[in-house]
Amino acid sequence: GENVEQHPSTLSVQEGDSAVIKCTYSDSASNYFPWYKQELGKGPQLIIDIRSNVGEKKDQRIAVTLNKTAKHFSLHITETQPEDSAVYFCAAIYGNNRLAFGKGNQVVVIP
Amino acid sequence: TAGITQAPTSQILAAGRSMTLRCTQDMRHNAMYWYRQDLGLGLRLIHYSNTAGTTGKGEVPDGYSVSRANTDDFPLTLASAVPSQTSVYFCASSEQGINQPQHFGDGTRLSIL
Repeated sequence: GENVEQHPSTLSVQEGDSAVIKCTYSDSASNYFPWYKQELGKGPQLIIDIRSNVGEKKDQRIAVTLNKTAKHFSLHITETQPEDSAVYFCAAIYGNNRLAFGKGNQVVVIP
Repeated sequence: TAGITQAPTSQILAAGRSMTLRCTQDMRHNAMYWYRQDLGLGLRLIHYSNTAGTTGKGEVPDGYSVSRANTDDFPLTLASAVPSQTSVYFCASSEQGINQPQHFGDGTRLSIL
C-alpha cells in the first residue's frame, strides 16, 4: 500500500552488473522488512528479510540494508543473472497488525 | 512438500454469483492470509487469521468473508461477485504472525463478468 514506496518502478541492468532497489516506509514502529521475488504466473517467494536490530544482512549475491533513521531499506543484487529477472516486492509492518507491501519493481537483466 | 495449495487456478464467474476460493497448507502454520493483487496496486490484505478459530479484517475486506475451522484450511468466499473483484488472489501462511516469513500459493486468477 501507500505506506511503503519502492523506487524505481522498473530497472534494467546488464548481466553481471548490480541492481539496487530502495524502499521507504512510514511506520517508525516497523521492525520486520522482507523482500519477495515474484516470477510470472507464480506467487511471491521470500528471498531475504531483515529485522530492525541489524543494519545489514547478506545471503550469497543478495543483501539488504536498513536505515531506521531515514526509514528506508534497500535490496542489493550483485553479479546479476537472467534468472534474476522478476518483480520484487518490499514490505514493512504497518499499524502492528498488517504487512504492507510496496507496489513492486520490475527488474530486467539484459543478457 | 506442497506448502500452500490454492484452487481453482483460474475461474470466470458471472456477476452476482457466489464463489469460494480454497486454500490449504501442510506446514502446520498458525497464521494465514488472503491477498488480492492488482496491476499498479501491489498486494493488498483482504482477511487474515492468526490461529484456528479466529479471523480479522485486512485493508480491503468488503465483499469477502473467510472462515478458519482448522489449522490447514482458510477458504475465501465472495457472496455476490462484482466486476471490481476481478483480480489474482493469493493465499499465504506464516508460522506465527506478521513478523515472520510468509509462504505464498501460486494464486487464483478470477474474472468477474
